[in-house]
Amino acid sequence: NAGVTQTPKFQVLKTGQSMTLQCAQDMNHEYMSWYRQDPGMGLRLIHYSVGAGITDQGEVPNGYNVSRSTTEDFPLRLLSAAPSQTSVYFCASNGRYYNEQFFGPGTRLTVL
Amino acid sequence: TQLLEQSPQFLSIQEGENLTVYCNSSSVFSSLQWYRQEPGEGPVLLVTVVTGGEVKKLKRLTFQFGDARKDSSLHITAAQPGDTGLYLCAGRGTSYGKLTFGQGTILTVHP
Repeated sequence: NAGVTQTPKFQVLKTGQSMTLQCAQDMNHEYMSWYRQDPGMGLRLIHYSVGAGITDQGEVPNGYNVSRSTTEDFPLRLLSAAPSQTSVYFCASNGRYYNEQFFGPGTRLTVL
Repeated sequence: TQLLEQSPQFLSIQEGENLTVYCNSSSVFSSLQWYRQEPGEGPVLLVTVVTGGEVKKLKRLTFQFGDARKDSSLHITAAQPGDTGLYLCAGRGTSYGKLTFGQGTILTVHP
């Protein structure tokens, strides 16, 4: 099993550009989440999904969209990138009856 | 909104010393998790505590969940350079699948 995979590993955008961060898991987990990590602020939840076709907002959802068309994939879309979205983004998944969240390796995004 | 206050934010110690990291909240959590994160990687789960007052040991690491399930601590005995990393506590509330993370503690253990 590959676990949780994320692409790209690094990305540089200009203000106003859009892009999609990809996330996939092969553990058949129902729950998937997107976090951003900034220095001194831990991990903050952006959006999450409890199953295919079901998504909800987390703590910091503004400027981001998600969709969950399959159990495996949970892409995060930046509609119009802003410098405040410079961060490291982590995707995570966990099964309904498992407490542990499995994290991907992260995407380091810089918005100029 | 549930908040978790983690302290200290930075910890720099010598090999062989003991240390404790604290995670406090005014909210009750159904479970509390501790993760460790290496540079350039995602967090990895160390332990989950579920019952108030629960104590779990993982080699030199001891984790405790407060009686009221609002706080937790991580104690490391005889720290080693391999313990260096970012330690994160995370509380799970009533909504399954959502975790609230503390700010993290950056631990550096010098040889």
